[in-house]
Amino acid sequence: GAGVSQSPSNKVTEKGKDVELRCDPISGHTALYWYRQSLGQGLEFLIYFQGNSAPDKSGLPSDRFSAERTGGSVSTLTIQRTQQEDSAVYLCASSWTDYYEQYFGPGTRLTVT
Amino acid sequence: SQKIEQNSEALNIQEGKTATLTCNYTNYSPAYLQWYRQDPGRGPVFLLLIRENEKEKRKERLKVTFDTTLKQSLFHITASQPADSATYLCAGGSTLGRLYFGRGTQLTVWP
Repeated sequence: GAGVSQSPSNKVTEKGKDVELRCDPISGHTALYWYRQSLGQGLEFLIYFQGNSAPDKSGLPSDRFSAERTGGSVSTLTIQRTQQEDSAVYLCASSWTDYYEQYFGPGTRLTVT
Repeated sequence: SQKIEQNSEALNIQEGKTATLTCNYTNYSPAYLQWYRQDPGRGPVFLLLIRENEKEKRKERLKVTFDTTLKQSLFHITASQPADSATYLCAGGSTLGRLYFGRGTQLTVWP
């Protein structure tokens, strides 16, 4: 079956612009996660959705970052007024529920110029 | 705060040897640990999960242990091959909520 997909695969934007990154999880997966990975660094947790529960936003680095998940499926990560330090690969993952392995998408490489 | 530590940033071994990667956790007691493999430019891929009440788990050439006394997990790749070269990530989680990932260990297997 289809895996986790993310779009766009690459995004170049000017400093100060807003960007939206999309994640399509595996059908039936109730948990969805967003991570950020800078060059040569580990995974930085951003936000986590589980079913209809309130999302865990504890990893969002600033109020310029927000995310939503519509209908328990597709998720969009929005970064407002982008800064150069936002440049990174943004990874989305989904899983059946909390306890299970996560399936990662290929990521969106964001470059802020 | 909860922390997963992979103390070795890089590990270089010869083909055919056993690679052993270490993962330590502090300030919490994960219900389970997961190991992932990440190749350059790709998302991580799940390898193994081990629960706190399990001492050891095996899958083909892979073996993972979970020592709650030492607060440590060891990940072994036996008969290593150059194709095993990648970054390996350890992650800890509880029954509810997010995973905490370590920074990863870059393994290089040379012929």
